[in-house]
Amino acid sequence: GDSVTQMEGPVTLSEEAFLTINCTYTATGYPSLFWYVQYPGEGLQLLLKATKADDKGSNKGFEATYRKETTSFHLEKGSVQVSDSAVYFCALDEIRDNRLAFGKGNQVVVIP
Amino acid sequence: ETGVTQSPTHLIKTRGQQVTLRCSSQSGHNTVSWYQQALGQGPQFIFQYYREEENGRGNFPPRFSGLQFPNYSSELNVNALELDDSALYLCASSSGQANTEAFFGQGTRLTVV
Repeated sequence: GDSVTQMEGPVTLSEEAFLTINCTYTATGYPSLFWYVQYPGEGLQLLLKATKADDKGSNKGFEATYRKETTSFHLEKGSVQVSDSAVYFCALDEIRDNRLAFGKGNQVVVIP
Repeated sequence: ETGVTQSPTHLIKTRGQQVTLRCSSQSGHNTVSWYQQALGQGPQFIFQYYREEENGRGNFPPRFSGLQFPNYSSELNVNALELDDSALYLCASSSGQANTEAFFGQGTRLTVV
């Protein structure tokens, strides 16, 4: 079935550093891809999405490009802030009806 | 427009008991999906309701059941609670149109002791 794999372990980095979180997926068709963010004590918020190959989703300085050839949707941000500390989840929607399959998530901690 | 609200925010139940969790969908949304998020894990899809009918189910046993009401609010019921049911339960509402955003509530933290 459909699945999403995120890199293992939390990510700790200094303010203004470059952030990359890897995400690869397995799907039989052409899913929509998402990054969600979960701040402490809150629900999930959509960060960005891409619905077809080579699309780039972007929001709040974060970017991710839908790479069909490598089945990847890596999240990047050029200069992180302390306020970016949260858990980030990669997700896919195979039939585009909001039945989402999520990765395990990555805790990001940004140190001043 | 109002957001997605879930109740209660926290509850503690004993193994073997039954629990009902509630979700009010965002105004204008007719689809509600439920997810289970165990500690340190990503959310797992339980099932989805569209216009009061179940519209897809994940790999969860029948003791997980649900309802959707005419106003599109929804309930998640879990019978015969097990310790492993301890998790954050999230609901998400959407418009039912393809490629539209799902909006999540803040979740209900269930602890089974």
